[in-house]
Amino acid sequence: GQQLNQSPQSMFIQEGEDVSMNCTSSSIFNTWLWYKQDPGEGPVLLIALYKAGELTSNGRLTAQFGITRKDSFLNISASIPSDVGIYFCAGPTQGGSEKLVFGKGTKLTVNP
Amino acid sequence: ETGVTQSPTHLIKTRGQQVTLRCSSQSGHNTVSWYQQALGQGPQFIFQYYREEENGRGNFPPRFSGLQFPNYSSELNVNALELDDSALYLCASSPGGRNTGELFFGEGSRLTVL
Repeated sequence: GQQLNQSPQSMFIQEGEDVSMNCTSSSIFNTWLWYKQDPGEGPVLLIALYKAGELTSNGRLTAQFGITRKDSFLNISASIPSDVGIYFCAGPTQGGSEKLVFGKGTKLTVNP
Repeated sequence: ETGVTQSPTHLIKTRGQQVTLRCSSQSGHNTVSWYQQALGQGPQFIFQYYREEENGRGNFPPRFSGLQFPNYSSELNVNALELDDSALYLCASSPGGRNTGELFFGEGSRLTVL
C-alpha cells in the first residue's frame, strides 16, 4: 500500500533556528499536505501542494512538491516556541482526495 | 462557526467490550471521516461517510462500523475490543466536493482497552 516516510523522526533546536523536514514515498502523489498536531489536539492543515514543482509559503513556513511527485519538504524559518508539535505529511489514498495516508510525523522541540 | 466536536474525550474499556464514539461535524460540512492514531504514529484512515452512506474504507475489520445522521453528525462503533484498539480516534469533517485534501479535525477520543 501507499506509505509516506518522514525524516527526521524528531528534532531539537534553539529558538531562532531554521528547520527542514521531508517526506518521501515509493508511490506518486498528486497532492501533498502538511499538517501540524499540537499536544491534545487534532491535526491542522498548514500547507497544501497540488502541482509538481510547486513552492508555497504560509508565513514562516515554506513547502515544496517534488518534481518526481514522490517527495515533499517543509521548511520553518526563525523558529519560535509555539512551533513545537508534530508535523505530518499526508497525501490522498487511491480512494480519493479526502481519504488521506499520513506519515509517522516529525516531532519538533524548540528550546527558548 | 462551531468546529468539530467529539465525545467522550477519554474512556477506558476492557477487552471484548463495545464502544461508541460520537462526532459533530463543522457547520456546513457534509462529509465525515474517522482516523485511528496509535501512540507515536500518524493517523490511519478508517472510513468516510457522505450523505449517510459509507464512502470508502481503510484496512480495518468489520467490527469497526459507523453511522452518519441527517444532521451530518457521526458515530464510530467498535465491537469486540482488542488491546491494540487502544488509540486516539480522530473525527474529521470537510465540505465535500472541493477535493483539496483539507480536513478539519476534532480533538479526538482517547480509548484505552485493558
